[in-house]
Amino acid sequence: NAGVTQTPKFRVLKTGQSMTLLCAQDMNHEYMYWYRQDPGMGLRLIHYSVGEGTTAKGEVPDGYNVSRLKKQNFLLGLESAAPSQTSVYFCASSFREGGHEQYFGPGTRLTVT
Amino acid sequence: GQSLEQPSEVTAVEGAIVQINCTYQTSGFYGLSWYQQHDGGAPTFLSYNGLDGLEEKGRFSSFLSRSKGYSYLLLKELQMKDSASYLCAVMDSNYQLIWGAGTKLIIKP
Repeated sequence: NAGVTQTPKFRVLKTGQSMTLLCAQDMNHEYMYWYRQDPGMGLRLIHYSVGEGTTAKGEVPDGYNVSRLKKQNFLLGLESAAPSQTSVYFCASSFREGGHEQYFGPGTRLTVT
Repeated sequence: GQSLEQPSEVTAVEGAIVQINCTYQTSGFYGLSWYQQHDGGAPTFLSYNGLDGLEEKGRFSSFLSRSKGYSYLLLKELQMKDSASYLCAVMDSNYQLIWGAGTKLIIKP
């Protein structure tokens, strides 16, 4: 089992460009999450999904969109990147009853210039 | 508001015992988790406390006092590979994890 995978691992964008981060999990988890991690701050939830076809906003959703067309995939989109979106992005997944135990992907390091 | 407080850095000696504290104030409480994160890596789950008391998992133990809004992670027989950041996270009334900023554990030989 690969667990949770993320692509790409690194990306540099210019202000105003768009991109999509892909997350995939092979553990048949219902819940999936997108976080960002910035120095000196805790992980912050961007969006999450409690099942195929559903998405919801987290703590810091502005500037991001998500889709979950298939249970195993969760996509995070940046429509018009800004320097404030420079961060490390983590995808995670969990069973419905186990939200306290989340499995994380390796992360995507995004720089917006 | 919601907040979790952890010391930014703790230093300990190889082979010793270290305690990492976490205090929290959240709207609703459905348990506290601890995660380990090595530099450049992803968080990995260590332990969960839903009720007051001590949970032990090998060299790692975690304690929770809900009345005091307080938890600690205890690491015994420290090894150099334990050098990492340790994150506490509380599940709130929306069943989402609220995360502390993490404690960097530095181990000296």
